[in-house]
Amino acid sequence: DQQVKQNSPSLSVQEGRISILNCDYTNSMFDYFLWYKKYPAEGPTFLISISSIKDKNEDGRFTVFLNKSAKHLSLHIVPSQPGDSAVYFCAGSSGTYKYIFGTGTRLKVLA
Amino acid sequence: IAGITQAPTSQILAAGRRMTLRCTQDMRHNAMYWYRQDLGLGLRLIHYSNTAGTTGKGEVPDGYSVSRANTDDFPLTLASAVPSQTSVYFCASSETLAGGNIQYFGAGTRLSVL
Repeated sequence: DQQVKQNSPSLSVQEGRISILNCDYTNSMFDYFLWYKKYPAEGPTFLISISSIKDKNEDGRFTVFLNKSAKHLSLHIVPSQPGDSAVYFCAGSSGTYKYIFGTGTRLKVLA
Repeated sequence: IAGITQAPTSQILAAGRRMTLRCTQDMRHNAMYWYRQDLGLGLRLIHYSNTAGTTGKGEVPDGYSVSRANTDDFPLTLASAVPSQTSVYFCASSETLAGGNIQYFGAGTRLSVL
């Protein structure tokens, strides 16, 4: 049972445009979500988080939106830069240390 | 600041051999974790530790053991490696086990069991 799904394995976006990475979850008890970015041969790096009491959190070029009724969250990157090319993981937690990770979306930003 | 250091970076291991993956953190975090990442699957939790002296089982603990003798070190041992344990292993830490804590990851160990 895949509780966190990232249905797009890959995404290509032109430099300067918006990148939208999507994540769906099935566990209604999830109350905290994280997005991580991962470069090849490196560990995942924390990017941005959102609590279920919010529907939006913004940090510079990165914004995460949470739609609890649809059990859906999305990460927006504006404007996209070539250095954003990486694999992005979303993860959900129901108030504990146990994060359930999605399978990741590989973003490629084209110069 | 090093954060989390994992060793070795990569390893090829014969099936049946014993292997210990090392993990050291310098952030004085109480909680530490071991994950494996496999193609088509998200990171899956193997074992975790709340504090020195305590450990717990994650989602996929079979075939692995851990110890937490002190705050900084959290080694993962494969007592008798099998090919299905071929994976990339990530160690992580967070301030506590409480929900909402960000987990910080090491660079990973790529393990191939032949």
